[in-house]
Amino acid sequence: RKEVEQDPGPFNVPEGATVAFNCTYSNSASQSFFWYRQDCRKEPKLLMSVYSSGNEDGRFTAQLNRASQYISLLIRDSKLSDSATYLCVVMGDTDKLIFGTGTRLQVFP
Amino acid sequence: GAGVSQSPSNKVTEKGKDVELRCDPISGHTALYWYRQSLGQGLEFLIYFQGNSAPDKSGLPSDRFSAERTGGSVSTLTIQRTQQEDSAVYLCASSLSSGGAYEQFFGPGTRLTVL
Repeated sequence: RKEVEQDPGPFNVPEGATVAFNCTYSNSASQSFFWYRQDCRKEPKLLMSVYSSGNEDGRFTAQLNRASQYISLLIRDSKLSDSATYLCVVMGDTDKLIFGTGTRLQVFP
Repeated sequence: GAGVSQSPSNKVTEKGKDVELRCDPISGHTALYWYRQSLGQGLEFLIYFQGNSAPDKSGLPSDRFSAERTGGSVSTLTIQRTQQEDSAVYLCASSLSSGGAYEQFFGPGTRLTVL
């Protein structure tokens, strides 16, 4: 079983739609959680950290459920520029990041 | 300011040759990480340096892979006797310190192709 699992997609949604991505992780000792964004043939960039209380940054909302070992990302009012691969990332009791394989989002006009 | 830089951006080599990949982290960042991303695969941790501590080499796939970080700054990842399965994008990241509170900033990567 992979340490971090995501639905690879692709998710094809129209502009303005709301879309949600889910991710599960296997190591209950994991300490920190993130969503990274990766554009085609580019390096990953931090989108947002994920906190137990849930957090929001503009159109993006992240949730963490430690009991179920589950992380989510909600994107409201999708823009064409949101098209990318979204990587669910977990940091365990060491400081290395464990990446999911990513969920591809394509927003169409 | 300057971000993480990596060189070369692309490297094509023949099977069996050695290659060296370079990473210049953001100035002042004490933590440096190497990852690789194979086609259609997620990013895979390779090795991690934090200050003067012994590096965490737990992700290196074989003893053909090694890395060093000189003077707490520049890092070199060396792959000896390259194999076709080593073909991937090798990404370097740095952060101000270790731990989840510190964002890891990634370089643009080195795309390695082993023929």
